[in-house]
Amino acid sequence: EPEVTQTPSHQVTQMGQEVILRCVPISNHLYFYWYRQILGQKVEFLVSFYNNEISEKSEIFDDQFSVERPDGSNFTLKIRSTKLEDSAMYFCASSLSGGGSDTQYFGPGTRLTVL
Amino acid sequence: AQSVTQLGSHVSVSEGALVLLRCNYSSSVPPYLFWYVQYPNQGLQLLLKYTTGATLVKGINGFEAEFKKSETSFHLTKPSAHMSDAAEYFCAVSSYGGATNKLIFGTGTLLAVQP
Repeated sequence: EPEVTQTPSHQVTQMGQEVILRCVPISNHLYFYWYRQILGQKVEFLVSFYNNEISEKSEIFDDQFSVERPDGSNFTLKIRSTKLEDSAMYFCASSLSGGGSDTQYFGPGTRLTVL
Repeated sequence: AQSVTQLGSHVSVSEGALVLLRCNYSSSVPPYLFWYVQYPNQGLQLLLKYTTGATLVKGINGFEAEFKKSETSFHLTKPSAHMSDAAEYFCAVSSYGGATNKLIFGTGTLLAVQP
């Protein structure tokens, strides 16, 4: 069964450093998402992406964040200058359509630790 | 705007007992509702979803949920808990109608199953 994959599973970085989190969505899906979950808190939407551009972003997704689909398979989240509060589990998801009833399939997550 | 409330951050049941995890939603439009499960160190896996039609929805692993519009609820149940059901469960509502669909999650319920 097709699945969303994410690399790395765990990333440790120093405050102020840039990180790139990578995701490979399900191959025929067209809509891509990033969510994050700070330890002990709820899963929060960050951004959605369709047709090579951002469809929607949350207030969390400020200028330090960017997303890209550099080729036909990868979908990346870049944090330009990490802060301590960026420490969280980051989940990538994809869906076939952007409809409200469509299932979003989640990857296993990347745990980002900012020291 | 849509929102989800999960009552009970921790639920403990005995193996073989009924599992009941509560979820109430708020939505200004007909809701699309989801239950996801997160096993330790894993991503989010869809258990079941309600879109339209039959209000009793059956999912994987013997779970089911009933959409009750009058009570704005979408509680998750399983008649007989198994040790392997120990996980965190998230209720989510789809926020749609704008640029894209995004999931609004509840705070999660950690289910413990006692032998």
